Amino acid sequence: SYVLTQPPSVSVAPGKTARITCGGNNIGSKSVHWYQQKPGQAPVLVIYYDSDRPSGIPERFSGSNSGNTATLTISRVEAGDEADYYCQVWDSSSDHQGVFGGGTKLTVL
Amino acid sequence: EVQLVQSGAEVKKPGESLKISCKGSGYSFTSYWIGWVRQMPGKGLEWMGIIYPGDSDTRYSPSFQGQVTISADKSISTAYLQWSSLKASDTAMYYCARHYYSSSSYLVDYWGQGTLVTVSS
Repeated sequence: SYVLTQPPSVSVAPGKTARITCGGNNIGSKSVHWYQQKPGQAPVLVIYYDSDRPSGIPERFSGSNSGNTATLTISRVEAGDEADYYCQVWDSSSDHQGVFGGGTKLTVL
Repeated sequence: EVQLVQSGAEVKKPGESLKISCKGSGYSFTSYWIGWVRQMPGKGLEWMGIIYPGDSDTRYSPSFQGQVTISADKSISTAYLQWSSLKASDTAMYYCARHYYSSSSYLVDYWGQGTLVTVSS
């Protein structure tokens, strides 16, 4: 089955840019979706189809996807961005299933 | 407003059966796939499976195939996740998740509030 690899943690100072990667075999050929999960809350979609933002998500959140790596970029990081972030794709090979990355804990220093 | 409202927390013993629910409102329940995502304590999200309430077509992750049953009752806009014999390793938060499909990909656009299942002797 398809595997997505994320770094366990990323740390960034307030006001700086955070980049969270999601690696997968030829992931650039798939659509990648990103979710933010704060402690005790359900996840929230922050980026879909590689780079689109749902309404209500700040423009500081952006995404890209090419080759074997997709990236979630958070500009001008704020304390409220501290959360776990998960990438997700749909594996349309024989399994036909959703796949999540292992998640990345974003710490705002 | 789209809402997914899940049933309350459960405490069960190993070997017991369980069925948890997720009621959808604010949209056409039969027009979207709806599924379940597991999150074990302190761990990440795991996709379990989905069902299309319109025709009950169901897809499971190989990791969960045979371990749980996903069903839906479109007459009351409710999806279910059930176990016939719980194990301690089933202890987790379970999220109901509406799936949106486009361009050969599914994403979760709405989530339920989660149902905590605790299995302990």
